[in-house]
Amino acid sequence: DARVTQTPRHKVTEMGQEVTMRCQPILGHNTVFWYRQTMMQGLELLAYFRNRAPLDDSGMPKDRFSAEMPDATLATLKIQPSEPRDSAVYFCASGLYPLSEQYFGPGTRLTVT
Amino acid sequence: DAKTTQPNSMESNEEEPVHLPCNHSTISGTDYIHWYRQLPSQGPEYVIHGLTSNVNNRMASLAIAEDRKSSTLILHRATLRDAAVYYCIPLQGGSEKLVFGKGTKLTVNP
Repeated sequence: DARVTQTPRHKVTEMGQEVTMRCQPILGHNTVFWYRQTMMQGLELLAYFRNRAPLDDSGMPKDRFSAEMPDATLATLKIQPSEPRDSAVYFCASGLYPLSEQYFGPGTRLTVT
Repeated sequence: DAKTTQPNSMESNEEEPVHLPCNHSTISGTDYIHWYRQLPSQGPEYVIHGLTSNVNNRMASLAIAEDRKSSTLILHRATLRDAAVYYCIPLQGGSEKLVFGKGTKLTVNP
């Protein structure tokens, strides 16, 4: 049963620390998305990649967030420095272009104190 | 992006059909209607999508109004596992950027 995996599942860190979240998309999928979910804003698209190249990162705060795909089996989302307002659940999703559906991972719950 | 209106919440009894409505009166002719759901403490899950005609899959059915200004997601026999937030998302053909609204929280009573 192919699934998107994310690590860590939970992360608690102090303000100012660097946070790295990882995602392994479903094997063979060529499109990877990062979303963030908070109570206030709901689910928001941060960025997405096709064949490891960034297509759109307009939803991502540029000054502290960065997203990369070092290889086809790994996507990373980094926050440096982290702030309390970054506390949220971060979801990764993958799909096969041309897309009809996106498959979401279980999320990383980030708490910044 | 087309705006959607969904009830904040709905309740159903187990093993009964559920009809979840979505109003998307500003939808354009090339927008597909996608439905996702999010079970508690999980990531969203694709349910179904369609353009003009009604669609069926193993999870649900999607009934699209003739004028395409509204659609209804139909769960034929609700189970406790169907308790989730259901999101109706118009998506322009060729676009991949899902825009989630607040959705409908479905409660299924045993």
